[in-house]
This record gives sequence, structure tokens and C-alpha cells, in this order.
Amino acid sequence: SYVLTQPPSVSVAPGQTARITCGGNNVGSKSVHWYQQKPGQAPVLVVYDDSDRPSGIPERFSGSNSGNTATLTISRVEAGDEADYYCQVWDSSSDHPGVFGGGTKLTVL
Amino acid sequence: EVQLVESGGGLVQPGGSLRLSCAASGFTFSSYNMNWVRQAPGKGLEWVSYIRSSSSTIYYADSVKGRFTISRDNAKNSLYLQMNSLRAEDTAVYYCARAYSGYFQHWGQGTLVTVSS
Repeated sequence: SYVLTQPPSVSVAPGQTARITCGGNNVGSKSVHWYQQKPGQAPVLVVYDDSDRPSGIPERFSGSNSGNTATLTISRVEAGDEADYYCQVWDSSSDHPGVFGGGTKLTVL
Repeated sequence: EVQLVESGGGLVQPGGSLRLSCAASGFTFSSYNMNWVRQAPGKGLEWVSYIRSSSSTIYYADSVKGRFTISRDNAKNSLYLQMNSLRAEDTAVYYCARAYSGYFQHWGQGTLVTVSS
């Protein structure tokens, strides 16, 4: 089955830019979606279809996807962005199509 | 406003059964595909199961196939997950999630299932 690989942790100072990667075999040919999850809360969709933002998500959140790596970029990081972030694809060629990355803990220093 | 409210979680012994429910409101439930996603304590998200809006297509993760059954009642705006032969590793918060074009657009708050003797 398809595998998505994320770094366990990323640290960034307030005001700087955080980049969280999501690796997968030819992931650039798939649509990648990103979720933010804060402690004790349900996940929230922050980027879908590689680079689109749901309404209500700040423009500071952006995404890209090419080759074997998709990236979630958070500009001008704020303390409130500290959370776990998960990438996800829907592998339509599989009988178990839902795939999540292992998650990345973003720490704001 | 889209609302998804899970219920039915609790403590169950290994080998036991539990049925989770997800009550949907604020949208036309019968038009949307639905999923169950779980999260073990301190762990990441794991997709569990998918059901098409018409119930015509169903998928399961290998970890639950043959033990869990997803179903829905569009007349009652409800999604279900029947969980049998439960194991300690099934302990998790279970979320129902509304799907759209391959992503999980809306999530419930989750219900905790604990499998322990």
C-alpha cells in the first residue's frame, strides 16, 4: 500500500517560515491534503488539492507538490500554529485508499 | 452548519463488540461519502473505512477488515461502525469524517473506544 513519510518534528521561531514535507513515491501525481490537529481537538483541513485553502484558513498556509515531495509552508509563524500536521492522499487504485502520513509536530520556539 | 456527532464509545473487553454511531446534520447527508478515521493514544491518524453515499462501495483498512463493518442510514442521517473481535490495538478515538473529492472536509469530535480487561 502507498506510504507517506513526514519528519517527526519541525521547530521554528515566531515570524519565521515553517516547511513540513511529505514524501511518497511519485506523490506529485496525486492530490495531497493537509490537516492541523491541536491537543484534544479533532483535525482541521488547512490545505486541499495540493495548494487550495478552505475558507477561514489564513493565507499564511500554503502548499506545493512535485516529484516525490509535497510541502506545507506556514509563513510568519505564530504561537497558535503549534500543532501536529498530517498529510493525506486518496489512493484510488487501492482497496484501502485512505492514507495518512505519520504526522509532524510543529514547535514554535 | 455541518455537524457530526459520534457516540457509542466506551470500555470493552478484548474479543468484545461495540457499535459506533455518527449523527450528521447541517447538510444533505445522502449526497456525501463518509469515512471513519481513528487515532490511538499519542499516535497519528489512521484511516479505517469508507462508504459511498449510496452504500454501493465500501473499503476497509487491512487492520480492521473482516472485523469491522461500516454502514449508513440516509433516512436517519446516520453513519455506523460495527466493531467485532476487538483487540487492545483498536483502542483509539474514532472520528467520523465527511469526504469530498478525496479529502476529509469535516470531522466530528470523536468517541473514545478502550479495549481492556
